[in-house]
Amino acid sequence: EVQLVQSGAEVRKPGESLKISCKGSGYSFTSYWIAWVRQMPGKGLEWMGIIYPGDSDTIYSPAFQGHVTISADKSISTAYLQWSSLRASDTAMYYCARRENWFDPWGQGTLVTVSS
Amino acid sequence: QSALTQPRSVSGSPGQSVTISCTGTSSDVGGYNYVSWYQQHPGKAPKLMIYDVTKRPSGVPDRFSGSKSGNTASLTISGLRAEDEADYYCCSYAGSYTYVFGTGTKVTAL
Repeated sequence: EVQLVQSGAEVRKPGESLKISCKGSGYSFTSYWIAWVRQMPGKGLEWMGIIYPGDSDTIYSPAFQGHVTISADKSISTAYLQWSSLRASDTAMYYCARRENWFDPWGQGTLVTVSS
Repeated sequence: QSALTQPRSVSGSPGQSVTISCTGTSSDVGGYNYVSWYQQHPGKAPKLMIYDVTKRPSGVPDRFSGSKSGNTASLTISGLRAEDEADYYCCSYAGSYTYVFGTGTKVTAL
């Protein structure tokens, strides 16, 4: 079974750093792009960017470029989304998903709460 | 990259058909046959319902169908059921390995 399992919920203060993860299983992790998608509380889905774990080629949405970093460690079939300085407005659910020209499957989501 | 435009909500009686529109531009929806649709129940991760405009993944009921005309894609649910109540999002390829989601539509079975 193709599966993406994300790390657990996180609570941080503004200005702190954070790295969340997405582990793939049941398929060749290096052969498919992984996407990250944000969903702010009560809001819609926003495409953040994608990474190709085979060579770490990464494409960002202009809306997120410069504020987040997407990376991957193919040796452990895991993709990452990280922030060096969180803002309160980063409070959201973050999903990873395997990309073809659609997104399937999706991880279960990681809730990030940023509050002082 | 602006979000694709969807109606905020649609509703219908059980057994009726409802259609959700998804309007973009010639740079996304109109330019590629890579529109997908996702169903999201409260507190759950999105689920793929339609890909490549009209294709249905294994396990998705055939009452879900997709189409596209120009810069507007549509998802139709024929024979609406109570379990179809959810939020629905379209998504389109926008070139250069980028994607854009729709604003989302809440479907209600009256």
